[in-house]
Amino acid sequence: QSALTQPPSASGSPGQSVTISCTGTSNDVSSYDFVSWFQLHPGKAPKLIIYEVSKRPSGVPDRFSGSKSGNTASLTVSGLQAEDEADYYCSSYAGSNNLGVFGTGTKVTVL
Amino acid sequence: EVQLVQSGAEVKTPGESLKISCKGSGYSFTSYWIGWVRLMPEKGLEWMGIIYPGDSDIRYSPSFQGQVTISADKSITTAYLQWSSLKASDTAMYYCLRQPPDRSLEDYWGQGTLVTVSS
Repeated sequence: QSALTQPPSASGSPGQSVTISCTGTSNDVSSYDFVSWFQLHPGKAPKLIIYEVSKRPSGVPDRFSGSKSGNTASLTVSGLQAEDEADYYCSSYAGSNNLGVFGTGTKVTVL
Repeated sequence: EVQLVQSGAEVKTPGESLKISCKGSGYSFTSYWIGWVRLMPEKGLEWMGIIYPGDSDIRYSPSFQGQVTISADKSITTAYLQWSSLKASDTAMYYCLRQPPDRSLEDYWGQGTLVTVSS
């Protein structure tokens, strides 16, 4: 199972929006609506911010939104804040006989 | 409150064995999968394997099959990841996480265990 492809970096000024793509294949992203996004801050437990393509867990600000088209999922962070500076990873379900697949990760910098 | 609490950082020499742990609390430990993933700089997150403590169903990523052993002790709601002979290339951050029975998402994560293997 090959990793999902994400851009290595993305950036924006406070208040702006940034969108991160996550490209997979017909074996994962395009076949299932089980795409998740995680936020990783150094020294902290990774945090689920989007699941099932576009759903937000309780407590996650609505500045975070997700979508999917074909084999590419996207995460948009609107109204960037300093605390949004982190690494972001996507993941996708890949069938009952596979463990799933993660993205390559994107470092978001708030300028 | 659901929590996954991992054991502390480890510094080992090549050839040593190691077992790190992940204690779950705040939920029914036997009703969710526990997964282990590796995070290495420039390589991102990689699945290592998963275990369903309810029936000890264990599945490994082909990349890690035979390299590590995953287990769980449901009496103390703790999952384990172990190596019999560490290599320098095992140096990484290791996370445990929780998945529901359908494995559709990874909803809670441990804080990570940094393993450093160096002579």
